[in-house]
Amino acid sequence: AQSVTQPDIHITVSEGASLELRCNYSYGATPYLFWYVQSPGQGLQLLLKYFSGDTLVQGIKGFEAEFKRSQSSFNLRKPSVHWSDAAEYFCAVELTGGGNKLTFGTGTQLKVEL
Amino acid sequence: GAVVSQHPSWVICKSGTSVKIECRSLDFQATTMFWYRQFPKQSLMLMATSNEGSKATYEQGVEKDKFLINHASLTLSTLTVTSAHPEDSSFYICSARFGGNTGELFFGEGSRLTVL
Repeated sequence: AQSVTQPDIHITVSEGASLELRCNYSYGATPYLFWYVQSPGQGLQLLLKYFSGDTLVQGIKGFEAEFKRSQSSFNLRKPSVHWSDAAEYFCAVELTGGGNKLTFGTGTQLKVEL
Repeated sequence: GAVVSQHPSWVICKSGTSVKIECRSLDFQATTMFWYRQFPKQSLMLMATSNEGSKATYEQGVEKDKFLINHASLTLSTLTVTSAHPEDSSFYICSARFGGNTGELFFGEGSRLTVL
């Protein structure tokens, strides 16, 4: 069965430090890949997505993610974290031709220390 | 971007009552909407796919008689939790895709249900 793994439940970084959130998936083929952010009281917001092509994708708010087929990974990165980045981050996958249904990882709670 | 809105954002009800949650696409039409359930500290689990003008498609393990979904128009889908019990307490989130099959998925703010 398809699955998405986010190994880190909680991550704490200092403001200005770099960030990497890990995401691994288990599928037979390369799915569509997404990163979402969820802030308290708000809906999920799409940070970036990968469908095909360049494996390094740029998103909003200074985030980027790199798809590595050999590692079945799609890690999210940001070179310098801002206090406003504190939120819950979800990796998600969608099977191509899968009826637009997303499977989410368990999420990573990011805390930013000032 | 496109906006998806849910109402109510939170609701408290007594055990045995039914609760209806609305999901609206405010500035676009959505033939398909999705309902998710999120437990505390856990991921979003897809409950069902809501199709305008037809029956919803439920994921395995989701009770269709418990969670009634109606997608009566291109901008509105409703989720009714029937005869709610404390174990139904959760955060329910809807989403709708804007711009075709490869368009972006927009999420509502979520509705927190607490059953006493």
